[in-house]
Amino acid sequence: EIVLTQSPGTLSLSPGERATLSCRAGQSVSSTSYLTWYQQKPGQAPRLVIYRTSSRATGIPDRFSGRGSGTDFTLTISRLEPEDFAVYFCQLYGDSQWTFGQGTRVDIK
Amino acid sequence: QAQLVQSGPEMKKPGASVKVSCKASGYTFTTYYVQWVRRAPGQGLEWVAIINPSGGRTNIAQKFLGRVTVTGVTSTSTVYMELTGLKPDDTAVYYCARGFYSADVWGQGTTVTVSS
Repeated sequence: EIVLTQSPGTLSLSPGERATLSCRAGQSVSSTSYLTWYQQKPGQAPRLVIYRTSSRATGIPDRFSGRGSGTDFTLTISRLEPEDFAVYFCQLYGDSQWTFGQGTRVDIK
Repeated sequence: QAQLVQSGPEMKKPGASVKVSCKASGYTFTTYYVQWVRRAPGQGLEWVAIINPSGGRTNIAQKFLGRVTVTGVTSTSTVYMELTGLKPDDTAVYYCARGFYSADVWGQGTTVTVSS
């Protein structure tokens, strides 16, 4: 099973600031199709944010961007809006299994 | 629009089984895989299983092999996830979600509480 490590665990930022979230895989990812980012707010189901490493899901504003390859992937929120404060999870497919990172909480500073 | 609607909350005793349903609408049921994911209190998301509703082939997370069964009924566009041998640490919100590499439509979640 591929291990995904997200960092930092918590990011405390102010609205308007830039958020950079990291997701590191324990082994190299053979296809960028396999890396996904989700946003989850309390009491809600997860929401797809980025798929195939860098493609924004329907309705996701362009302040969200994803990039990466190999073992290192990043989700960037260029200017935080109040509705962006949430927990973000990366997910990876590999060896017929799906794995989530432990999540990064983006808090209001 | 595409929607997944799950069954209601469940309270179970340790050792019991639970079966959660996930009814799809607004799209062709057999066209998309359905995943099951859970989130326990204070924990992150955990992948449980996936089913191809076209043919019924499943893949279960290694941690849940022997305890989880996922089935699909095409006539009702419904997927079921059964978890047996419940333990208190199976207490979680269980979600179904549409998609293979990534899930773009999610159910509202079903809270399963395991307590004696």
